[in-house]
Amino acid sequence: GQQLNQSPQSMFIQEGEDVSMNCTSSSIFNTWLWYKQDPGEGPVLLIALYKAGELTSNGRLTAQFGITRKDSFLNISASIPSDVGIYFCAGRDNTNAGKSTFGDGTTLTVKP
Amino acid sequence: NAGVTQTPKFQVLKTGQSMTLQCAQDMNHNSMYWYRQDPGMGLRLIYYSASEGTTDKGEVPNGYNVSRLNKREFSLRLESAAPSQTSVYFCASSEFQTGTKYEQYFGPGTRLTVT
Repeated sequence: GQQLNQSPQSMFIQEGEDVSMNCTSSSIFNTWLWYKQDPGEGPVLLIALYKAGELTSNGRLTAQFGITRKDSFLNISASIPSDVGIYFCAGRDNTNAGKSTFGDGTTLTVKP
Repeated sequence: NAGVTQTPKFQVLKTGQSMTLQCAQDMNHNSMYWYRQDPGMGLRLIYYSASEGTTDKGEVPNGYNVSRLNKREFSLRLESAAPSQTSVYFCASSEFQTGTKYEQYFGPGTRLTVT
């Protein structure tokens, strides 16, 4: 089946630093999604990307849908302690009835 | 609006026992999904229901059954639990229509331990 490679696996940064993480796939996706999961909670959608080349922001978060449709990145600017959590990318193609394939996650730790 | 709710939040089973995980959504979504999440891994799709009355296997369906009871409710059943099914189970829903935008909303999860 389809697989996503998400990197890095974990990041330890200082408050105020910028963060970048990415996902690559061997298959083409029509939609890229970025989620954040807090401990003990379900994932919450941060940004959805629907078109190749699309660049979308949500506050301090910016995500891009790669031109090849096989990759996406998420940037967080000026990190704060509440950014701590696990970030997941997910890709979807139009043939899968809304199913998404998830990356293994990037665990972010922010030191005050 | 409660969104997606799941019961129970925690469960401990012995090997061979059965149980049903319940999920309900109040957003009038057509599609619902069951995922499992193992430590250090992303979510893997167990089963999904694209619309009321239909269910399909996902990536890891073995050992599970599902029922789309109505548009709101989608349950996941373990007939004979095994230690390999120890995991966190998430239900999700979305308003999926082919070719249109959609967003997937997740419940808080059920933490299952099989001993």
